[in-house]
Amino acid sequence: EAQVTQNPRYLITVTGKKLTVTCSQNMNHEYMSWYRQDPGLGLRQIYYSMNVEVTDKGDVPEGYKVSRKEKRNFPLILESPSPNQTSLYFCASSLSGAVDTQYFGPGTRLTVL
Amino acid sequence: QKEVEQDPGPLSVPEGAIVSLNCTYSNSAFQYFMWYRQYSRKGPELLMYTYSSGNKEDGRFTAQVDKSSKYISLFIRDSQPSDSATYLCAMSYRDDKIIFGKGTRLHILP
Repeated sequence: EAQVTQNPRYLITVTGKKLTVTCSQNMNHEYMSWYRQDPGLGLRQIYYSMNVEVTDKGDVPEGYKVSRKEKRNFPLILESPSPNQTSLYFCASSLSGAVDTQYFGPGTRLTVL
Repeated sequence: QKEVEQDPGPLSVPEGAIVSLNCTYSNSAFQYFMWYRQYSRKGPELLMYTYSSGNKEDGRFTAQVDKSSKYISLFIRDSQPSDSATYLCAMSYRDDKIIFGKGTRLHILP
């Protein structure tokens, strides 16, 4: 089944404890992206990757890191999480770019205490 | 002024009514316009895509783009309870970054 998977789905952590949210797609997509969704602020792009080893900042990259060493994987790294990073995170992928049909993962709900 | 403005609703309409959802934007460079639908506790899914100005129809859904007014619309005809969801407009002027509206919550009342 063609899909985007994210792990973990739910995570409660404490301020400053490094964490990684994994994202994987099995559709051989070139483009991958991370978003956060917050009430009243909508869906905002954190980072995106047009291809392997090519990543760039979205609108809200502060406090996040990403890497794209393999085509299928695009992990989101929070080196020192803070409470303002409490949010619902979505990973998405598409064949070629942001304006192509993006397929979203199921989301990761992160709480930073 | 925010780049993309979208009324968060909620918008409640009776089943069978025509629904009109709208977004305005400030960046005249936007060329690509999309509508995503998001059901509760799910990720968004692409509903409609339009390049530049004009109309596009797909079944009960029609997307309109008016670049002169910086205004886009999504119309849903013969609305069904299964259309109850949050609808997000999205825009881009290049193929890597994308800006989403905040989403409009829609309730179709049986």
